[in-house]
This record gives sequence, C-alpha cells and structure tokens, in this order.
Amino acid sequence: EPEVTQTPSHQVTQMGQEVILRCVPISNHLYFYWYRQILGQKVEFLVSFYNNEISEKSEIFDDRFSVERPDGSNFTLKIRSTKLEDSAMYFCASRGLAGETQYFGPGTRLLVL
Amino acid sequence: AQSVTQLGSHVSVSEGALVLLRCNYSSSVPPYLFWYVQYPNQGLQLLLKYTSAATLVKGINGFEAEFKKSETSFHLTKPSAHMSDAAEYFCAVSERNRDDKIIFGKGTRLHILP
Repeated sequence: EPEVTQTPSHQVTQMGQEVILRCVPISNHLYFYWYRQILGQKVEFLVSFYNNEISEKSEIFDDRFSVERPDGSNFTLKIRSTKLEDSAMYFCASRGLAGETQYFGPGTRLLVL
Repeated sequence: AQSVTQLGSHVSVSEGALVLLRCNYSSSVPPYLFWYVQYPNQGLQLLLKYTSAATLVKGINGFEAEFKKSETSFHLTKPSAHMSDAAEYFCAVSERNRDDKIIFGKGTRLHILP
C-alpha cells in the first residue's frame, strides 16, 4: 500500500539555525499539507499546497516558514531562524484529486535547543 | 469556522468493555468527519471517515462511528476493547468540496484496564 514518508525521523538543531524537513507524498497525489503537534497538544494545520502554490496557511506559518516542491516527488518544509517554540512533531500529508482523505506520514520530531 | 470538541481527554475502560469516545463538531457547511488514531511515538492513522454516504461508518480494528446531524456528533464506538486499542484518538473535520485543512480535536487518550 502506498504511503507518505518523511525524513529525518528526528532532527535536533540550535536556536536560530535553519532546518529542512522532507516528505515524499503518495505518488499520484496533488494536494500536500504540513501539520504540527507540540508535545501533549492537538495536531494543528500549518499549510496546504496545490499546483505549486500555497492554497492556505495558518497564522503559525509565519515568514520564517516556507514550502517547496523541488521536483516531482519531494515536498519540503523549511524553517529559518528556528525558535524554541518550533519544537514539535511535524506531519506531512497528501491527498488525491478526487479523494477527501489526507494520508499522513510518520512525522519528524524537531527539537530546537 | 469549523471546530471539534472531544469530551474527555482521558477515558479508561476495562478489556472487553464497550469503548465510547465522544466528538461534537461545528461546521457551516456539510462536513467530512474523521477519526484518526495515534499509537505511542507513531504517526496518524485513519480509523474511519464520514463523507455523506451511510451515517453509520465502519472502520478498521472493529471501530465504528455514527454521524448524527441533529446532534452535530460523530461518536466513536467499539463493542469490546482490546489492550492493543490503547492510544490517542483524534476526531477531525474538514470542509467538503475543498482542498481544505483538517481541524483536529484535542484528542482522547484511551486506557485499557486489564
């Protein structure tokens, strides 16, 4: 069964550094998403992406955040000037053109020190 | 705006007993509704979804949920709990016919007592 994959599974970085979280969505999917889950809290929407542009973003997704689909398979989330409060589990998700179900990857746990 | 309320951040049931996890939603348009499960240190797995067909939806691992528009509810049930059901369960809503975000509830941690 096709699945969404994410790398790395864990990322530790120093405050102020840049990180790139990578996702490989399901191959025929066209809609892509990033969510985050701060430890012990609910999953929160960050951004949705379709046709090579952002469809919607939340207020969490400030100008330090960016997304990119650099090739036909990867979908990345870049966080510049990381802050302590960026520490969270980041989930990538993808959805097909006709489907309503978003399929989630296993997540990347980001720790900012 | 859409929202989801899950009643009870922690629920404990005995093995073999009925599982009932409550979820109420708010949506200005007909919603899609989902239940996701998260096992410790793992990602989100779709348990079941409501997309406007049958109001009683059956999912994986013996779970089911019933969409009740009049009560704006989508409670999750399982007749007989197993130890392996211990996990965090998230109810979620999204708008139909849009490439829209999913709004998650705060989650309910299900504990299974031996």
